[in-house]
Amino acid sequence: QVQLVESGGGLVKPGGSLRLSCAASGFTFSDYYMSWVRQAPGKGLEWVSYISSSSTTIYYADSVKGRFTISRDNAKNSLFLQMNSLRAEDTAVYYCARDWGSSGSYSDSWGQGTLVTVSS
Amino acid sequence: DIVMTQSPDSLAVSLGERATINCKSSQSVLYSSNNKNYLAWYQQKPGQPPKVLISWASTRESGVPDRFSGSGSGTDFTLTISSLQAEDVAVYYCQQYYNTPRTFGQGTKVEIK
Repeated sequence: QVQLVESGGGLVKPGGSLRLSCAASGFTFSDYYMSWVRQAPGKGLEWVSYISSSSTTIYYADSVKGRFTISRDNAKNSLFLQMNSLRAEDTAVYYCARDWGSSGSYSDSWGQGTLVTVSS
Repeated sequence: DIVMTQSPDSLAVSLGERATINCKSSQSVLYSSNNKNYLAWYQQKPGQPPKVLISWASTRESGVPDRFSGSGSGTDFTLTISSLQAEDVAVYYCQQYYNTPRTFGQGTKVEIK
């Protein structure tokens, strides 16, 4: 079955950096678009970024553009999110999600999430 | 950006009764070339990640109970739970995937009356 396991979250000071990872298993990772979605404590869902199966297409939310970088390693079935210049408002649970279909769409499988806390 | 607005923000329904959640998009999410609405519904229970219930506005995902149904087209959509069960207590979100950013509604909290 599809399994997505995020790691790399933690406490970081404003202006700091963090790299999130997502280990995928149970499906052919290289066939799927992948996304990051976050959820601030007690708040709703916010789409952050997605990356196509071959990394040729990448999009970011305006709120993270220029600070976050999504990438993937298909040989290692892994998705990454490099987060720089972190702000208090980036505090959230970050979910890794698989997108349905060969050209990306809605997210049909989600990890359990990893908590990022930005605070001094 | 396409703004997704859900109503109501919360609702309390008796067990076995119908729950209806509305979602309105600021522009159409109907792709004319394939006549598909790029709209999904998710359920999120406390402490859990979201789970997709409905895709393409009305296609129930595998394993989702048939008491959940989606309807609508263009800019107006509805998620209906025909007979509310205790395990349906959750927050429900709509999301458009017509274009980027893939925006979500603010969520609707469903509780038992």
